[in-house]
Amino acid sequence: KQEVTQIPAALSVPEGENLVLNCSFTDSAIYNLQWFRQDPGKGLTSLLLIQSSQREQTSGRLNASLDKSSGRSTLYIAASQPGDSATYLCAVGDSGAGSYQLTFGKGTKLSVIP
Amino acid sequence: DAGVTQSPTHLIKTRGQQVTLRCSPKSGHDTVSWYQQALGQGPQFIFQYYEEEERQRGNFPDRFSGHQFPNYSSELNVNALLLGDSALYLCASSLVAVGYTFGSGTRLTVV
Repeated sequence: KQEVTQIPAALSVPEGENLVLNCSFTDSAIYNLQWFRQDPGKGLTSLLLIQSSQREQTSGRLNASLDKSSGRSTLYIAASQPGDSATYLCAVGDSGAGSYQLTFGKGTKLSVIP
Repeated sequence: DAGVTQSPTHLIKTRGQQVTLRCSPKSGHDTVSWYQQALGQGPQFIFQYYEEEERQRGNFPDRFSGHQFPNYSSELNVNALLLGDSALYLCASSLVAVGYTFGSGTRLTVV
């Protein structure tokens, strides 16, 4: 059974800092990995999708890396802004029955202080 | 292009009642999945529908059932509601190449 762990559970940084969120998973036979953002009481917004054959993906100030062999992914946020404050969820795509399902970590709650 | 839409946004039910949640997938997506997110936790997979059939199911009791219609929209039904069923219910649609797109969720409170 796939297990996904995110460290740290919470993080508070001053505006402008670069930061790294960590995600680890137990079964390296993944289909893909997707990072999401969740604002309080809201749904999930997809940030980056990394296919199993890829090593990293970039979108604006965000960069996500994937190391399947070690079961790790990182989300790098450059020049953090107060609007980045949210919970960030890592989800691993596991294959099964012709498609795949997502297994989530518990998330990292990020607070960016102005 | 509309994303995933869910209704209703909020719902309050009494223990023992039944509830139906609805979801319309993103245009072009044919697979719909449902997730339950308890407060402070990551979403947990309930089940997935494709071509009107349940294709995969997570570790949820039979009280949780679903349906997918020919237009790919979907319903989640929960019978005999328990206090522990209070959560945010998320619907997602997907295509293999582009990943999952989630709706805003339905907040269910069981009293």
